[in-house]
Amino acid sequence: AQTVTQSQPEMSVQEAETVTLSCTYDTSESNYYLFWYKQPPSRQMILVIRQEAYKQQNATENRFSVNFQKAAKSFSLKISDSQLGDTAMYFCAFSELQGAQKLVFGQGTRLTINP
Amino acid sequence: DVKVTQSSRYLVKRTGEKVFLECVQDMDHENMFWYRQDPGLGLRLIYFSYDVKMKEKGDIPEGYSVSREKKERFSLILESASTNQTSMYLCASKGVYEQYFGPGTRLTVT
Repeated sequence: AQTVTQSQPEMSVQEAETVTLSCTYDTSESNYYLFWYKQPPSRQMILVIRQEAYKQQNATENRFSVNFQKAAKSFSLKISDSQLGDTAMYFCAFSELQGAQKLVFGQGTRLTINP
Repeated sequence: DVKVTQSSRYLVKRTGEKVFLECVQDMDHENMFWYRQDPGLGLRLIYFSYDVKMKEKGDIPEGYSVSREKKERFSLILESASTNQTSMYLCASKGVYEQYFGPGTRLTVT
């Protein structure tokens, strides 16, 4: 069974700083998807970024980028020029390529951006 | 935009009551999911459905059942609510690459 681990329960940075959230996972699959989801306070969970394991290039979405280390089974999220609206719970998640592609989530990291 | 709605944002029920949580999506997605979110545990999969009347157990199905009579609607049923089922419940439907989540139902069982 796959597992996902986020070892940072809480983080706090100043606005405009860069912050990196850590995630490790365990799987015997060679191809899979990895995701970072964001859950703002009292708002719906939304997808931040997605990485296909068969792609070596790290995914980027504007200020959000990942460092995907397949051999180390590590998938960190970097937020550049952090903004107050980035304050949220962030969840790392894994899914297989086939089947229902159900998500396996990490424990979450509560990120606070301070003015 | 994909829209996933859940019938209630907040719900308070008594121990032993039968509880229905409903989820509706408007994008004709085949796969729908019910997760439970608890602090320090992240989200855990309760049940999922890949078609009408088709369902599969997730990681924590005990004490729950589901119903999917129509493609757009996926219901989670707590047959006899217990205090350890107090939690946030999130529904999701799956598009091509990502899951789209509803706003969640915070259920308190007293």
